[in-house]
Amino acid sequence: AQSVSQHNHHVILSEAASLELGCNYSYGGTVNLFWYVQYPGQHLQLLLKYFSGDPLVKGIKGFEAEFIKSKFSFNLRKPSVQWSDTAEYFCAVNAAGQGFSFIFGKGTRLLVKP
Amino acid sequence: EAGVAQSPRYKIIEKRQSVAFWCNPISGHATLYWYQQILGQGPKLLIQFQNNGVVDDSQLPKDRFSAERLKGVDSTLKIQPAKLEDSAVYLCASSFGLAEYNEQFFGPGTRLTVL
Repeated sequence: AQSVSQHNHHVILSEAASLELGCNYSYGGTVNLFWYVQYPGQHLQLLLKYFSGDPLVKGIKGFEAEFIKSKFSFNLRKPSVQWSDTAEYFCAVNAAGQGFSFIFGKGTRLLVKP
Repeated sequence: EAGVAQSPRYKIIEKRQSVAFWCNPISGHATLYWYQQILGQGPKLLIQFQNNGVVDDSQLPKDRFSAERLKGVDSTLKIQPAKLEDSAVYLCASSFGLAEYNEQFFGPGTRLTVL
């Protein structure tokens, strides 16, 4: 069965610090990968996604993620966080050709201190 | 464009009672999803519709949960009877099509508390 692991459940950073949130999945076949974000009081929204091609994907608000197939990872990065990045971040995987079901990780709560 | 609408936003019931949630997806979106998000966990897919047909309901506890999308637009999710462990946020999402790479747009969710 597919699964998604997000290693850090809570992260606290100061503004301008660099961010990297880990995401690993278990599935041996082709996958589609997503990062969703939920800002306080708002809906879940898509941050970025990877299907094929360049493994370095750029999303909104300066976020990027790198797909490393050999490590089954899709880590999210941002070089310099802002207070407004305080949110919960979810990694999600959907196995290509496997009924389109999305599997979400448990999420990482990021608090950016001003 | 209008987003995914859900109602009610909050619901408190006692165990063994019934409850229903409503979702209206973004206009033109053929695919509709219901997720359950228990506190401290990520969303778990319960059921996925393509128009008015079920694509995936493998994780729906069918002894107590049911969902329908009769006209291929809005949808209802019902729990009957509710258990304490059903306390969660129920999220509805929609996407333009069934393709795996289509972005899902989420509604605000319904927070259910079962006492």
